[in-house]
Amino acid sequence: EDKVVQSPLSLVVHEGDTVTLNCSYEVTNFRSLLWYKQEKKAPTFLFMLTSSGIEKKSGRLSSILDKKELFSILNITATQTGDSAVYLCAVERSGGGADGLTFGKGTHLIIQP
Amino acid sequence: DGGITQSPKYLFRKEGQNVTLSCEQNLNHDAMYWYRQDPGQGLRLIYYSQIVNDFQKGDIAEGYSVSREKKESFPLTVTSAQKNPTAFYLCASRRTGFGTQYFGPGTRLTVL
Repeated sequence: EDKVVQSPLSLVVHEGDTVTLNCSYEVTNFRSLLWYKQEKKAPTFLFMLTSSGIEKKSGRLSSILDKKELFSILNITATQTGDSAVYLCAVERSGGGADGLTFGKGTHLIIQP
Repeated sequence: DGGITQSPKYLFRKEGQNVTLSCEQNLNHDAMYWYRQDPGQGLRLIYYSQIVNDFQKGDIAEGYSVSREKKESFPLTVTSAQKNPTAFYLCASRRTGFGTQYFGPGTRLTVL
């Protein structure tokens, strides 16, 4: 059975801090790993990672995948109160007719002013 | 504007009633998905459809049914057989083959 484990489950930091969110996975026929940000409603897409060791970056957010060790991290530098959200990690498998994403439980990040 | 719409935003149902949640997309995506989210949990896949008139069960399909008569529409029926239907339901879509799934705004279902 596919499995995605995120840590920590919750995190409270002060504005301006840097945070690192973790995602480890076990999936048959790995295809990609995705990060989403969820603020009370629909998850919004952040990154899709398919290749090991290549960092994806968007502003203060960055993410990297390690396919050998089966994990990914999401970094947020110079955090702002608007970064407060649940960050979801999901993996996609390929082949075998299966489709859909397997999600972790999410990391609830709270940025205090 | 292109996107995914879900309706209603909030839905209340009495025990024993079936209810249908709407999901429509105008992104010309072939594949559509339904997920369920419970408090403090990640999303779990209920059903998906990769093409019109075809759909497959996900990890938690029991008590749910779907149809895919049109490319744009993928309604989800929560039946009375679903033991614990109160949850946040999210619909998603994407192009087939490969690509990111994009989510609708969700429907929050409460069973009274």
